[in-house]
Amino acid sequence: DGGITQSPKYLFRKEGQNVTLSCEQNLNHDAMYWYRQDPGQGLRLIYYSQIVNDFQKGDIAEGYSVSREKKESFPLTVTSAQKNPTAFYLCASSPWTSGANVLTFGAGSRLTVL
Amino acid sequence: GQQLNQSPQSMFIQEGEDVSMNCTSSSIFNTWLWYKQDPGEGPVLLIALYKAGELTSNGRLTAQFGITRKDSFLNISASIPSDVGIYFCAAPNTGNQFYFGTGTSLTVIP
Repeated sequence: DGGITQSPKYLFRKEGQNVTLSCEQNLNHDAMYWYRQDPGQGLRLIYYSQIVNDFQKGDIAEGYSVSREKKESFPLTVTSAQKNPTAFYLCASSPWTSGANVLTFGAGSRLTVL
Repeated sequence: GQQLNQSPQSMFIQEGEDVSMNCTSSSIFNTWLWYKQDPGEGPVLLIALYKAGELTSNGRLTAQFGITRKDSFLNISASIPSDVGIYFCAAPNTGNQFYFGTGTSLTVIP
């Protein structure tokens, strides 16, 4: 079945450490996204990528980095520069076509800073 | 980024009751999407709407694309306990950037 796989599901980090969240999709979608979700707030865009080897900052990119070396993969690194990284992170993908755009989400990764 | 205005923020209903929620925007969209999110999981697409005035059903769920293209509505009929979760709307702009509502938390009391 086609879908998006995020790993790990749960991750604990000590302050000052970088961590990388994995996101893999087999939907053949061009566009991939990373969102952050905090309690009581809507989804906030961290980074997105429309094509391999290209990505754009979203609304809250500070303290995060991404890469898009393959169409299927869009890993997110949460760096030590991110002041408040404890959150639920969602990866998503979409066909890059005008009109019938639907966003497909992964199951999410919960990061906790100890 | 822009957010869609979603209401109500939360609902507590008895099993068997109908539920209505809506999203509004100051901008026009060509697509409206409705998702459900269970605790600790990723959102799952319920209904996608592509045409102003369109009314689409998925089982007990019915959604409508507002005629002005600035709003959308989701109705759930005869609610059951497994309907519990957070429902939110989404809409993409022409650059494939998605805007989201802040969600409606639904609690169904057996």
